[in-house]
Amino acid sequence: DQQVKQNSPSLSVQEGRISILNCDYTNSMFDYFLWYKKYPAEGPTFLISISSIKDKNEDGRFTVFLNKSAKHLSLHIVPSQPGDSAVYFCAASVMGGANNLFFGTGTRLTVIP
Amino acid sequence: ETGVTQSPTHLIKTRGQQVTLRCSSQSGHNTVSWYQQALGQGPQFIFQYYREEENGRGNFPPRFSGLQFPNYSSELNVNALELDDSALYLCASSLGGGRSGANVLTFGAGSRLTVL
Repeated sequence: DQQVKQNSPSLSVQEGRISILNCDYTNSMFDYFLWYKKYPAEGPTFLISISSIKDKNEDGRFTVFLNKSAKHLSLHIVPSQPGDSAVYFCAASVMGGANNLFFGTGTRLTVIP
Repeated sequence: ETGVTQSPTHLIKTRGQQVTLRCSSQSGHNTVSWYQQALGQGPQFIFQYYREEENGRGNFPPRFSGLQFPNYSSELNVNALELDDSALYLCASSLGGGRSGANVLTFGAGSRLTVL
């Protein structure tokens, strides 16, 4: 049972434009959400997070939006750069729980120069 | 600051064998988690170790076991290997024992296991 879903396996965007990566979740107990980025032959690296008490968190070119009623979050990257080309994983957890993360299947972003 | 290191990077085993994967946590981190990432899937939580004890477990059978040592490094052991155990095994370290729920995990590059 996939509790975190990323329905777009891949996304291609022109350099300088906005990249929007989407994620849906089914478990209403989730209250902390993270995005990880993964390059080939490397482990996932933390990108940005948001707790359920917020609906937006921004860090430089990266912004995460959370819509709790729709159980949906999105990651916006603007402007997109070729170095952003990677697989992006959405993850969710329950604060105060065992800190295990539930990951989506990932979206491969390709930024075209 | 050293990151999370895992060994070996690649290994091939046959069905029924046993395997041990090793992980050194990031300097200053006292909690280690293990994840399995099958091809085309996201990482799945196996278990977490804190203070040398298992501190949470995902939906994996008992033939998946682990250890954490006093220096916070960790091992993942898998007995009676099955073909479906072929995957990338990721180790992640963090600080705080996990119960805060909001600790950011620092991942290693993984050990790729192929079971023939």
